[in-house]
Amino acid sequence: AQKVTQAQTEISVVEKEDVTLDCVYETRDTTYYLFWYKQPPSGELVFLIRRNSFDEQNEISGRYSWNFQKSTSSFNFTITASQVVDSAVYFCALSSGGYQKVTFGIGTKLQVIP
Amino acid sequence: DVKVTQSSRYLVKRTGEKVFLECVQDMDHENMFWYRQDPGLGLRLIYFSYDVKMKEKGDIPEGYSVSREKKERFSLILESASTNQTSMYLCASSFTGRSNQPQHFGDGTRLSIL
Repeated sequence: AQKVTQAQTEISVVEKEDVTLDCVYETRDTTYYLFWYKQPPSGELVFLIRRNSFDEQNEISGRYSWNFQKSTSSFNFTITASQVVDSAVYFCALSSGGYQKVTFGIGTKLQVIP
Repeated sequence: DVKVTQSSRYLVKRTGEKVFLECVQDMDHENMFWYRQDPGLGLRLIYFSYDVKMKEKGDIPEGYSVSREKKERFSLILESASTNQTSMYLCASSFTGRSNQPQHFGDGTRLSIL
């Protein structure tokens, strides 16, 4: 069985602070994919990034960066110099196997205070 | 850009009613999904479909059915609505069923059963 744990249910930071959202996963598959999605107050989940199990390179996109470590089964997401527009619920997800079966974490609600 | 459109943002129905939630995608995606989102539980998969007239049960199919008569449209049916089905419902689609495909989500339907 697959499992995704996002231990932080809610985080509040002051604007311009850096913040890291944690994601720990469990799977028995050797080939799998990890995703991060953002859900702003409008409700629509927006795809942010995908990482496959064979690629442990960190990724940076503007103020966003992702750290994938197979040794600790973690795929953490860091926002540098947070902004109010970053306020949202962020979901980590894991996908593997045949027909696409995705397991989502429960989400981390990030509030950036001006 | 992929557009996934859910027919209603907010819906109020009564216990025992038959409820239809409609979802349409405009990118010829093979896979479509229905999730419900509840606080503290994240996203849970109700049903998914990998082709027209094909469907698979997700993690919580009880009390729901689905219909996919055309590739672009995926309907979720609550046969006899109950108060415990009050929730946010999210529709998603993906290009294929491969595990590496990100999902594209609609804005969600917030359903209240009175």
